[in-house]
Amino acid sequence: AQSVSQHNHHVILSEAASLELGCNYSYGGTVNLFWYVQYPGQHLQLLLKYFSGDPLVKGIKGFEAEFIKSKFSFNLRKPSVQWSDTAEYFCAAFSSGSARQLTFGSGTQLTVLP
Amino acid sequence: DAGITQSPRHKVTETGTPVTLRCHQTENHRYMYWYRQDPGHGLRLIHYSYGVKDTDKGEVSDGYSVSRSKTEDFLLTLESATSSQTSVYFCAISERGTGSTNEKLFFGSGTQLSVL
Repeated sequence: AQSVSQHNHHVILSEAASLELGCNYSYGGTVNLFWYVQYPGQHLQLLLKYFSGDPLVKGIKGFEAEFIKSKFSFNLRKPSVQWSDTAEYFCAAFSSGSARQLTFGSGTQLTVLP
Repeated sequence: DAGITQSPRHKVTETGTPVTLRCHQTENHRYMYWYRQDPGHGLRLIHYSYGVKDTDKGEVSDGYSVSRSKTEDFLLTLESATSSQTSVYFCAISERGTGSTNEKLFFGSGTQLSVL
């Protein structure tokens, strides 16, 4: 069965630190990958997505992610985090063979200390 | 923000009672989804719809049913609520489906359901 793994459950950083959140997926074939963010008390919002082309994807608010097919990974990065980046981050994947189901990882809670 | 309204926002109910959650959209999008969000599990798909009267099961569909009689409304019913169904429920919509190029999901604000 398809799955998405986020191994970091809770990450705590100080402002201006660099961020990298891991995401691994278990699919063969064509895969579409997403990162969503959920700020406290809010609904999920799309940060960035990868469908094809350049494996380095840039999203909103200075976030980027790199698709590495050989490692089945789609890690999220930001060079310098801010207090306002405190949120829960979800990686998600869709495979052409998955009958329209977008599968989410279990999420990573990021806390940025001022 | 996309026009998605979930009702109720909060619900407390007792085990064994039926519960219906409503998702209403004003975007005329074809695809609608119900997810539940639980700590340590992220979001899991319950059911989805790819058109009026067209629905299919997701990953965790047991104990849930759905109906879509109009494009704008997607109802999720817990036939006999259990404590394991205590969760936050999110509705989502998309125009062409999550596998389409350049497509994305828009989420509602969620319904917090507590089954005592």
